[in-house]
Amino acid sequence: DAEITQSPRHKITETGRQVTLACHQTWNHNNMFWYRQDLGHGLRLIHYSYGVQDTNKGEVSDGYSVSRSNTEDLPLTLESAASSQTSVYFCASSATNNEQFFGPGTRLTVL
Amino acid sequence: EDQVTQSPEALRLQEGESSSLNCSYTVSGLRGLFWYRQDPGKGPEFLFTLYSAGEEKEKERLKATLTKKESFLHITAPKPEDSATYLCAVWLQGAQKLVFGQGTRLTINP
Repeated sequence: DAEITQSPRHKITETGRQVTLACHQTWNHNNMFWYRQDLGHGLRLIHYSYGVQDTNKGEVSDGYSVSRSNTEDLPLTLESAASSQTSVYFCASSATNNEQFFGPGTRLTVL
Repeated sequence: EDQVTQSPEALRLQEGESSSLNCSYTVSGLRGLFWYRQDPGKGPEFLFTLYSAGEEKEKERLKATLTKKESFLHITAPKPEDSATYLCAVWLQGAQKLVFGQGTRLTINP
């Protein structure tokens, strides 16, 4: 069965370190998305991609970057982790109908 | 600015007590409205897509409806396993992305 996976599921890091969160989908979807979810803010879009070599900024992109070298993967990098980036991160993918399928999430703590 | 507002923030019901969740939106152009269910510690799970005013979709005890300004998720005779956070999201014209509301946390007591 097709699926979308994220790793790691939990991560604790220190302020200033670079962190990369992995997202892998086997749906063969062109569209992929990264969200963060925080109490009081709901799901907020960080970055998204409509295909290989395409990346776009979402509403909360400062301090984050993505790259898309193949259809299956969209890794999210925190260049220099900050305590404000402590959150739960979700990756999602969709076909053109925009019905998004979400991964299980990564809980990131920045100390 | 495009906005999606869900109400109430939290709702407690007794098993079998029917109710509705609301999702109102102010957007420049709506291409579709999505409902998701999210269980604690998990990613959102797709429930419904609605594309035009007057459209209705049903799945087990859930029915979603859409008007020009809002959507309702009706829950009929709910069971404890329906307890979850329900999220709505709008698909804006000209964009392949969704704008989410903050969700309604639903608790069904046995």
